[in-house]
Amino acid sequence: QSALTQPASVSGSPGQSITVSCTETSSDVGDYNYVSWYQHHPGKTPKLIIYDVSHRPSGVSNRFSGSQSGNTASLTISGLQAEDEADYYCSSYTTISLWVFGTGTKVTVL
Amino acid sequence: QVQLQESGPGLVEPSQTLSLTCTVSGGSISSGGYYWSWVRRHPGKGLEWVGYIYYTGTTYYNPSLKRRLTISVDTSKNHFSLNLTSLTAADTAVYYCARVGASGMITFDVWGQGTMVTVSS
Repeated sequence: QSALTQPASVSGSPGQSITVSCTETSSDVGDYNYVSWYQHHPGKTPKLIIYDVSHRPSGVSNRFSGSQSGNTASLTISGLQAEDEADYYCSSYTTISLWVFGTGTKVTVL
Repeated sequence: QVQLQESGPGLVEPSQTLSLTCTVSGGSISSGGYYWSWVRRHPGKGLEWVGYIYYTGTTYYNPSLKRRLTISVDTSKNHFSLNLTSLTAADTAVYYCARVGASGMITFDVWGQGTMVTVSS
């Protein structure tokens, strides 16, 4: 069972901003660190879009941004585009269970 | 740039052992600086970290799989491998190999395409 809970789905219209949350739900995995976000189009290779909570790798659109407040990390996609329709996962390094991933969120562009 | 490619059987019988290999191109595993990882995604579910290995052979495993799992590395062939024993239907998943930074960018920054593994008789 994942220790990081995400909403099953989030949707928005083109041009809008949406936010995907990632909440730490288990206290038995130790401290959470190094939150990352990945975009996954089915059948394709997962793509890193945010690391260390809010850092974007080179080449990733600045429409993607990350933040964290307390035990919840968030991914915001601004100026939503059709190509953003995909599954999104968060991950975190924990001091006991090492790496954990979120449950995944399907982003739909209406 | 670095690319990863998984290979292995698509169908394995229950109670048998799964063997997968991830071949690294565009970079050398023995250069260090990265852990080489396996991640899986069960049908209709989220991602699960399986484990990873450093080029020196040091391994770290998901506690839930540790008893059945072995990850090894062959630096001469620039690939690393997964062996998972005593398979059940619960091991049916897409298996990805991925690279994880050991410092600096501590994240899964390069992924393979993934290979579907079905456990069934």
